[in-house]
Amino acid sequence: AQTVTQSQPEMSVQEAETVTLSCTYDTSESNYYLFWYKQPPSRQMILVIRQEAYKQQNATENRFSVNFQKAAKSFSLKISDSQLGDTAMYFCAFMKHTQGGSEKLVFGKGTKLTVNP
Amino acid sequence: DTGVSQDPRHKITKRGQNVTFRCDPISEHNRLYWYRQTLGQGPEFLTYFQNEAQLEKSRLLSDRFSAERPKGSFSTLEIQRTEQGDSAMYLCASSLLAYGYTFGSGTRLTVV
Repeated sequence: AQTVTQSQPEMSVQEAETVTLSCTYDTSESNYYLFWYKQPPSRQMILVIRQEAYKQQNATENRFSVNFQKAAKSFSLKISDSQLGDTAMYFCAFMKHTQGGSEKLVFGKGTKLTVNP
Repeated sequence: DTGVSQDPRHKITKRGQNVTFRCDPISEHNRLYWYRQTLGQGPEFLTYFQNEAQLEKSRLLSDRFSAERPKGSFSTLEIQRTEQGDSAMYLCASSLLAYGYTFGSGTRLTVV
């Protein structure tokens, strides 16, 4: 079974600064996907960024980038130029790869990020 | 398409009552998932459908829980004889591809 661990229950950052959220995972699968999801207060879960395990290049999406270390099973999220709208719960998630399409997501417990003005 | 819709948004029920939630996925998505999220925790997988077939159920899904997806369109999640421990946010998501998950806004259940 896969597990996802987020060791930082809460973090805060000043507006315009950079913050890094940590995530480690455990799996025996060789091919899988990793995701970061954002859940603002009382709003739906939205995808921030995804990484295919077979790709060595780290994914980037505007101000969001990841540091994917496959051997260490580490998948951290860096948010640059933090904005007030980044305040949310952030979840790291794992999905094994199959030919059939999507599979269930295994989530970590989340990190509550607060961006201060 | 307006995304994944869940109804109701909030439900308060007395212990022992039955409740049913509905999820309307994105129309072209063939897979539909149900997750449960308790306060301060990440979502936990409950069950999923490919079209109308229920392909996997978590051990979290006791025999008081039942899910259906007739005709491969909308899905319902029913909880019978609710208990206080069932209080949670119930999330629905649909997908077509591995990176195409779309979540609904969830149904918050409070059992009193």
